[in-house]
Amino acid sequence: NAGVMQNPRHLVRRRGQEARLRCSPMKGHSHVYWYRQLPEEGLKFMVYLQKENIIDESGMPKERFSAEFPKEGPSILRIQQVVRGDSAAYFCASSENSGTPNTEAFFGQGTRLTVV
Amino acid sequence: GESVGLHLPTLSVQEGDNSIINCAYSNSASDYFIWYKQESGKGPQFIIDIRSNMDKRQGQRVTVLLNKTVKHLSLQIAATQPGDSAVYFCAENMDRDDKIIFGKGTRLHILP
Repeated sequence: NAGVMQNPRHLVRRRGQEARLRCSPMKGHSHVYWYRQLPEEGLKFMVYLQKENIIDESGMPKERFSAEFPKEGPSILRIQQVVRGDSAAYFCASSENSGTPNTEAFFGQGTRLTVV
Repeated sequence: GESVGLHLPTLSVQEGDNSIINCAYSNSASDYFIWYKQESGKGPQFIIDIRSNMDKRQGQRVTVLLNKTVKHLSLQIAATQPGDSAVYFCAENMDRDDKIIFGKGTRLHILP
């Protein structure tokens, strides 16, 4: 059973370009979470999605950032018109159920976005 | 802002000794706590969890203690090994249908 798969592992974008980060949850998992991590910092929650639904996007910046989790295919975190401050590691996690005790959230290896 | 924080950013421990990593949380409504280990260049890895109706839980070489009176969480690692070198995050879940909130992390450094 493959773990949470994120790609690409490393992404370089010029200022103003778009970044697309993909996350394939573990098999059987229908809940996806996106987190952002700056160097030497903790993970900051961005968005929580179920299939075709955004459940909680309280951590998402109001502009330029969007996320989706379609019925088929991976979850996508999209950042439009990237700026240098968007440079960070973006982690995806998946779970069978939403944060209930004894339901682990498994993390992917992250995508490291560098904006030049 | 984040409601989960840690007392020490870096902890150095002699190989073979026990490690204790501390964490303070501010939301008394939190009912589920998790410790994660993150090695360099990797995603967080689940270590152990504990519910708010418990005060202690043990795993393999790890023990989590929860003191709800002072809102304090700790992770004890027995007989620390070089492979334990990592950043350790405590995290809390305030709502069973919502996200996990992470603290800033403690870097554990193993001395030979």
